[in-house]
Amino acid sequence: EAQVTQNPRYLITVTGKKLTVTCSQNMNHEYMSWYRQDPGLGLRQIYYSMNVEVTDKGDVPEGYKVSRKEKRNFPLILESPSPNQTSLYFCASSSGGLNTEAFFGQGTRLTVV
Amino acid sequence: SQQGEEDPQALSIQEGENATMNCSYKTSINNLQWYRQNSGRGLVHLILIRSNEREKHSGRLRVTLDTSKKSSSLLITASRAADTASYFCARGAGGTSYGKLTFGQGTILTVHP
Repeated sequence: EAQVTQNPRYLITVTGKKLTVTCSQNMNHEYMSWYRQDPGLGLRQIYYSMNVEVTDKGDVPEGYKVSRKEKRNFPLILESPSPNQTSLYFCASSSGGLNTEAFFGQGTRLTVV
Repeated sequence: SQQGEEDPQALSIQEGENATMNCSYKTSINNLQWYRQNSGRGLVHLILIRSNEREKHSGRLRVTLDTSKKSSSLLITASRAADTASYFCARGAGGTSYGKLTFGQGTILTVHP
């Protein structure tokens, strides 16, 4: 089954404690991205990757890091989480062509206290 | 600012009625996509309309695109209680930003049985 898998689904952490949210896709997609969703703001792109070792900032990259060492994985790293990073996070992938749909993971609800 | 502003923010209808959601955007698009999100879960792709298309159908869904007005609409006909969800439009960029989606804030649709 084609899918994007995120882990964990829920996470509560304390300010400053480094964490990683994993994302994996099994569709051999080139393009992967991370979004955060906040009430009233819709989804905003954090980082994206067009292929292995190719990443770039989205609209709200501050406080986040990513890496793309393998085509299927695109982890999101919060080196020093802060309460304003409490949000619902989604990973998405697509084949990357001009007119292709995105496939989303089920989301990770992060709370930073 | 966010692209793909949506209207209305919330819509409440009875089962069997049609639901229309509108989306406006500010800059050029390669395509316009609609996604559905059930409460707190991942987004599911509904339909994609290319910039050179004016109308597209998929089952009970009808999407129109007016590039001169920079607007799109999603019509769900003969709605069902199971259609209750949030609906998002997303602008698909071209050029060096292929694969990037810029989301609106969404429309919350409630269909009463």
